[in-house]
Amino acid sequence: AQSVSQHNHHVILSEAASLELGCNYSYGGTVNLFWYVQYPGQHLQLLLKYFSGDPLVKGIKGFEAEFIKSKFSFNLRKPSVQWSDTAEYFCAVNAYNTNAGKSTFGDGTTLTVKP
Amino acid sequence: EAGVTQFPSHSVIEKGQTVTLRCDPISGHDNLYWYRRVMGKEIKFLLHFVKESKQDESGMPNNRFLAERTGGTYSTLKVQPAELEDSGVYFCASSQDTYTNTGELFFGEGSRLTVL
Repeated sequence: AQSVSQHNHHVILSEAASLELGCNYSYGGTVNLFWYVQYPGQHLQLLLKYFSGDPLVKGIKGFEAEFIKSKFSFNLRKPSVQWSDTAEYFCAVNAYNTNAGKSTFGDGTTLTVKP
Repeated sequence: EAGVTQFPSHSVIEKGQTVTLRCDPISGHDNLYWYRRVMGKEIKFLLHFVKESKQDESGMPNNRFLAERTGGTYSTLKVQPAELEDSGVYFCASSQDTYTNTGELFFGEGSRLTVL
């Protein structure tokens, strides 16, 4: 069975600080990896995704994530956060050759950015 | 293009009552999923429809939960009778094509269920 672990439940940063949110998954096969974000009062939306190719993927709003296969990790980064990045972030994984939409999510990390 | 819509946004019921949640997926999306988040924990898969057929209902907690998708359009998730542990946020998501394996899900805003 797949599992996803997000290391930080709540992160508090000041504007312009750098961000790294940890995500590790447990699954031995080929996977697709995702980061979703839920801004206050809004729906979950895709931030970025990795299917294959370059392990460094770039998403919307200046976010990027690096897939390190040997570490089963897919950490999310942003060099300089803004107050508007305050949101809850979810890492998710699904297995490549199974039900492609059946994703396993982590517990989520709440990011609070102080102005 | 309209996104995934869910109704109601919040429902408060007493233990033993029945609640029906509704989801309208993005038009043309054959795949519809229900997920649930309980007590700030992880978002857990409940089930998956392809058009009107249940493709995978391995995440459904028990037989108090019944999901339908008549005609392959909108879906309902009924909880009957509701228990305290059913409280949480129920998310609906849709996607276009299972077999491309992209797996990108488009989510609704969720229906928050509170069972007292």
